[in-house]
Amino acid sequence: QVQLVQSGSELKKPGASVKVSCKASGYTFTSYAMNWVRQAPGQGLEWMGWINTNTGNPTYAQGFTGRFVFSLDTSVSTAYLQISSLKAEDTAVYYCARDVSGFFQHWGQGTLVTVSS
Amino acid sequence: DIQMTQSPSSLSASVGDRVTITCQASQDISNYLNWYQQKPGKAPKLLIYDASNLETGVPSRFSGSGSGTDFTFTISSLQPEDIATYYCQQYDNLPRVFTFGPGTKVDIK
Repeated sequence: QVQLVQSGSELKKPGASVKVSCKASGYTFTSYAMNWVRQAPGQGLEWMGWINTNTGNPTYAQGFTGRFVFSLDTSVSTAYLQISSLKAEDTAVYYCARDVSGFFQHWGQGTLVTVSS
Repeated sequence: DIQMTQSPSSLSASVGDRVTITCQASQDISNYLNWYQQKPGKAPKLLIYDASNLETGVPSRFSGSGSGTDFTFTISSLQPEDIATYYCQQYDNLPRVFTFGPGTKVDIK
């Protein structure tokens, strides 16, 4: 069965960087796009962008350019989200989600990133 | 950019009640509209895709309808396990963009 397993919670200081992983199993990793979704505490879902798992080409939504980087390691079927120069407002749960023809059929369990001094 | 609105933002209903949530797009999105359920502390779960298609394994008390700019999500008989926040999501392929609605929190009265 399809599974997306994300790395564990992170506590970081402002200005640091964090890299969240999303390991896929149960399907051919390069056959489906991978998306990233942010959910700040008590807030709604916000689409951050997606990465073409076949070409490695990332596309970032408005508001997620500059400090956010999507990457892949196809040899281990894993997608990554790296956030640099962390700010308190980056505190959120970050989800990866597999895209099937325009809907997110499978989600990772979420990774809580807390930014605090 | 396409904006999505949902109403109501929250509702409280009794077990067995029919619950309806509406989602409106700022421009025509055809049927490119999905619905998700999110329970506290959990990842969202796909319920309805392409406006009216029930995802495999989702109970038939959930349904969706609409096209263009106006969409409706219905729970025909609210159950205690349906307590959650429900989000609509639109998608556009050219360019590839997804937008979530603000969510509707459903509680039991």
